[in-house]
Amino acid sequence: GENVEQHPSTLSVQEGDSAVIKCTYSDSASNYFPWYKQELGKRPQLIIDIRSNVGEKKDQRIAVTLNKTAKHFSLHITETQPEDSAVYFCAASTMNRDDKIIFGKGTRLHILP
Amino acid sequence: DAGITQSPRHKVTETGTPVTLRCHQTENHRYMYWYRQDPGHGLRLIHYSYGVKDTDKGEVSDGYSVSRSKTEDFLLTLESATSSQTSVYFCAFRGRDGYTFGSGTRLTVV
Repeated sequence: GENVEQHPSTLSVQEGDSAVIKCTYSDSASNYFPWYKQELGKRPQLIIDIRSNVGEKKDQRIAVTLNKTAKHFSLHITETQPEDSAVYFCAASTMNRDDKIIFGKGTRLHILP
Repeated sequence: DAGITQSPRHKVTETGTPVTLRCHQTENHRYMYWYRQDPGHGLRLIHYSYGVKDTDKGEVSDGYSVSRSKTEDFLLTLESATSSQTSVYFCAFRGRDGYTFGSGTRLTVV
């Protein structure tokens, strides 16, 4: 089955700097890769996603890149702000009939003042 | 509520008792999921459903069962609760815009 590895587990960056979180996946059939942000005590919420037919997607300060050959994808946050502090999860899914989306273990991002 | 609600939000139960958590969605989505979240483990899939009466096991299904008799409801049952099942449980559906989570149920088994 699918296995998703996420690194680093904890990341601290100065406010205004960029943050990068990386994930790898094992199932070459996976074709949908969402990223979720979870604030303390809240539900995970989708912040950006990418499908296998594109290599990069950007939404304001966040971007995701995908390398299907290497089976890895990354989240990039530029000009980090205090409200970016949260846990971020990557995930991979085949979006097939027996689809079961599998998550990485998460990255706790701290934005330092 | 993002079209999905979980009940109860908090529960404390004794070891050995059965517990049922409920997930209710209002958007007629076919795919629904149950996850548990524990520190250091992220979100682990327990069971999922791809339609009424169609369910399958996830990564950590031992000790759990599910039922889906109606599209809108997906029930998770802990047949005989153990302390290792103390966790936060999230359900989710797969919609057109990706996966949407409920607010979670914090379950404590004492």
